[in-house]
Amino acid sequence: GDSVTQMEGPVTLSEEAFLTINCTYTATGYPSLFWYVQYPGEGLQLLLKATKADDKGSNKGFEATYRKETTSFHLEKGSVQVSDSAVYFCALRRSGGGADGLTFGKGTHLIIQP
Amino acid sequence: DVKVTQSSRYLVKRTGEKVFLECVQDMDHENMFWYRQDPGLGLRLIYFSYDVKMKEKGDIPEGYSVSREKKERFSLILESASTNQTSMYLCASSFPPSNEQYFGPGTRLTVT
Repeated sequence: GDSVTQMEGPVTLSEEAFLTINCTYTATGYPSLFWYVQYPGEGLQLLLKATKADDKGSNKGFEATYRKETTSFHLEKGSVQVSDSAVYFCALRRSGGGADGLTFGKGTHLIIQP
Repeated sequence: DVKVTQSSRYLVKRTGEKVFLECVQDMDHENMFWYRQDPGLGLRLIYFSYDVKMKEKGDIPEGYSVSREKKERFSLILESASTNQTSMYLCASSFPPSNEQYFGPGTRLTVT
C-alpha cells in the first residue's frame, strides 16, 4: 500500500539556519503530495502542495519539489524563524478522482532556537 | 475562510461508554474525514464520507462507526470506548477537484 517516510525529530536549529526535512513516498500512479504544519494546540494547516512531477509548491518561504525519479518531496526553507517551530507532516493522496483520505508520514517536530 | 469545528477540545470518558465526536464544516464540502493522531504514528484515516449517508472505511475502522445525516455534519461514534482509543481525533473536509483537506482543531479524548 501507499506509505510516506519522513525524518523523525525533534530537529533543532538556530534562527536563520537553512532547513531541510526529507520526505519520500511509495505509491502507485501519480499521487498528489502535500506538506501540512501543526502548531501547538491546533489542527493541521496546509502549507504547500504539488500535483504532478517537477511541480514546486511554495508558501511562507517554504518550498518543496515533486521528484518522481527519486519519489521525494523534501521541504526546504532558507532562513527559519522561531515562529516556524511546529510539527510538519508530509502526506500523499492517491491519483484518480473521487474522495480519498490522505496517507501521512509520522511527522517531524521542528524546534527553532533564538 | 473554511471553518471546520469539532464539538469538544478535550473529552474524558470511561471504558465501555458510548462516545460521540461531532464535526461541522461551513463550506458545503462534499467530502469529510476522521483521523486519529498518535505520537510516533502520525495521522491514520478511520472513516470518510463523500456524500450524505455514504461512508467508506479507512485504514483503521475497527471499534468505530460514523454517521452523516446532513452534508455539513460528520459524527464519529465509539460504540464502547476502550483505553486504546485514547487519542487526538481530527476531522477534515474537502471538495473536488482540488480535494485539499481542511482540518478542525482536534478533540483530545481520554478513556479511563
